[in-house]
Amino acid sequence: DTGVSQDPRHKITKRGQNVTFRCDPISEHNRLYWYRQTLGQGPEFLTYFQNEAQLEKSRLLSDRFSAERPKGSFSTLEIQRTEQGDSAMYLCASSRLAGSSETQYFGPGTRLLVL
Amino acid sequence: AQKITQTQPGMFVQEKEAVTLDCTYDTSDPSYGLFWYKQPSSGEMIFLIYQGSYDQQNATEGRYSLNFQKARKSANLVISASQLGDSAMYFCAMREAGGGSNYKLTFGKGTLLTVNP
Repeated sequence: DTGVSQDPRHKITKRGQNVTFRCDPISEHNRLYWYRQTLGQGPEFLTYFQNEAQLEKSRLLSDRFSAERPKGSFSTLEIQRTEQGDSAMYLCASSRLAGSSETQYFGPGTRLLVL
Repeated sequence: AQKITQTQPGMFVQEKEAVTLDCTYDTSDPSYGLFWYKQPSSGEMIFLIYQGSYDQQNATEGRYSLNFQKARKSANLVISASQLGDSAMYFCAMREAGGGSNYKLTFGKGTLLTVNP
């Protein structure tokens, strides 16, 4: 059973550029989550999908952030007009809808550095 | 108010000894789940153990056990027989079932565990 994969693992960009990250969840998982983790902090929830529907996006940090999961499989997270404060680890997780014991499995993350 | 509090920024333990990592939580929801994750320097969050609020027994998974004290709202992780590979950041997290938040995990700030040979 392959785990959650994310691409790229590292991204360096200049302020003002757009970046897009991809997440491939565990194949039978219908829920997919994006989190952001800054230095010295735990992950912070951004958004999640159930199948292709984005059910919560109010925690996206600004309108520069958007996420899609067009066919209910992989997902992309885009940051437009990047700022230095966007530098962080972006983590994707997936789960199978399973009641109270539902467990999220995380990918290796994408480390973003905005210069 | 912090929903998850991990008061130990760093902990040291000798190889083969047991160590307890503290976690307290704050919720008024009667139904919730508590999770522990390990994050090595590579960055991936690795799921370790889960405890449900209605579970009568403390969860165990191999060398990991969860000391769940519901009245005190604590969910401490116990690692027995520490190994050098246990050196990592450890995060406690909670998912509340109600209030429309039954999807996201709320994490603490983590504890950096160092296992000494």
